Amino acid sequence: DIVVTQTPLSLSVSPGQPASISCDCSQSLLHSDGRIYLYWFLQRPGQAPQLLIYEGSNRFSGVPDRFSASGSGTHFTLTISRVEAADVGVYYCMQSIELPVAFGQGTRLEIK
Amino acid sequence: QVVLRQSGAEVKKPGSSVKVSCKASGGSFTTHAIMWVRQAPGESLEWMGGIVPKVGPVHYAQKFQDRVTITADESTLTAYLEVRSLTSDDTAIYFCARDPGDFWGQGTLVSVSS
Repeated sequence: DIVVTQTPLSLSVSPGQPASISCDCSQSLLHSDGRIYLYWFLQRPGQAPQLLIYEGSNRFSGVPDRFSASGSGTHFTLTISRVEAADVGVYYCMQSIELPVAFGQGTRLEIK
Repeated sequence: QVVLRQSGAEVKKPGSSVKVSCKASGGSFTTHAIMWVRQAPGESLEWMGGIVPKVGPVHYAQKFQDRVTITADESTLTAYLEVRSLTSDDTAIYFCARDPGDFWGQGTLVSVSS
């Protein structure tokens, strides 16, 4: 099974400052079809997760351009250019290149 | 815009079973897999399995293989998750989501307690 490891597990950022989360996977997520099967989610308190980024670096509909993601193979990064209060919650990366689908442990973002 | 609406919270006794439903509206039900993900209190997200309605097949995480059944009814656009032989460790919020997670149900809290 693919192991997905996120760092850090928690983050405290001042409003307007950048934030970065890493996601490392034990196997490459680059498929032979050219797609990267890595996704980023934000789960706000008391809510279901919501998709932020799909296929490694593509912002989902309605996601502010403050959010960006990069990476290839086994190492991926989610970056928030200027953190806002609405960004508070737990961020998860997920791989789906092979079953079982696996999530990272989550990174809790709080505002200083 | 796809909307996934799940059934309400459940309180169960250890050893019993629970069946959670996930009804889709606003989009195609058969072109994407539906996955089930659970979240124990204070824990991360855990993939349980998934199904492509009408087409199949059904896939399960190995730890749930023996006591979880995922089904789908194309006529009612509803997916189901059944968990048997419940223990307190199954206390969690259970989510359905359209693969790869672009739309999620609101979650169903299942509490297992004697």
